Amino acid sequence: QQQLQESGPGLVKPSETLSLTCIVSGGPISITSYQWGWIRQPPGKGLEWIGSVFYTGSTYYNPSLESRVTISIDTSKNQFSLKLRSVTAADTAVYYCARDVQEEWLRGYYFDSWGQGTLVTVSS
Amino acid sequence: SYVLTQPPSVSVAPRLTATITCEGDNIRSKSVHWYQQKPGQAPMLVVYDDIERPSGIPERFSGSNSGNTATLTISRVEAGDEADYYCQVWDSSSDHRVFGGGTKLTVL
Repeated sequence: QQQLQESGPGLVKPSETLSLTCIVSGGPISITSYQWGWIRQPPGKGLEWIGSVFYTGSTYYNPSLESRVTISIDTSKNQFSLKLRSVTAADTAVYYCARDVQEEWLRGYYFDSWGQGTLVTVSS
Repeated sequence: SYVLTQPPSVSVAPRLTATITCEGDNIRSKSVHWYQQKPGQAPMLVVYDDIERPSGIPERFSGSNSGNTATLTISRVEAGDEADYYCQVWDSSSDHRVFGGGTKLTVL
């Protein structure tokens, strides 16, 4: 079973860029049946999908965040990254990376392995 | 965009059955997945593809999907089942993943 671990600063100033990396261990990241996703959860609130990336670099973003988000992948390092620009206090959340599994016959996608999550606070 | 609606809270006594619903337009045409999240922990997949259980998930957890409502059923509820539960689908028209708002299960 692959394991995922988020890393990055826990504090970001307003208007700056939030940058996180997810390191994947226990197997290659370049598997055709998987994408790799970022999900966040503001304190006391629900889950919000941010976006997902395929090993080829193809990306899929939540339309509510698309103008500020970039997700990239580095297969040589077995990791993928999130950049969220122009952050505000509303971006304060626990950020999770997860393995995004494609179902047979493209019925859908689900997240079967998650990192432990990392709290990012936006504050001056 | 596709919207999933869950009740904010459900309460159940131990050893009884908990039912958590997830409503969406013609949701039966989609594959529904369910996650359990305990305080301070990452979410964990408990049901995928409407009815399937990942390895290690007890048979007490089951799912169904019909019409505009998908349901997660937890039989013989235990204190350790107390958690937040989220449903999730893939919206094929936009290629986006969508989560429901979550349901807090309280074991009385």
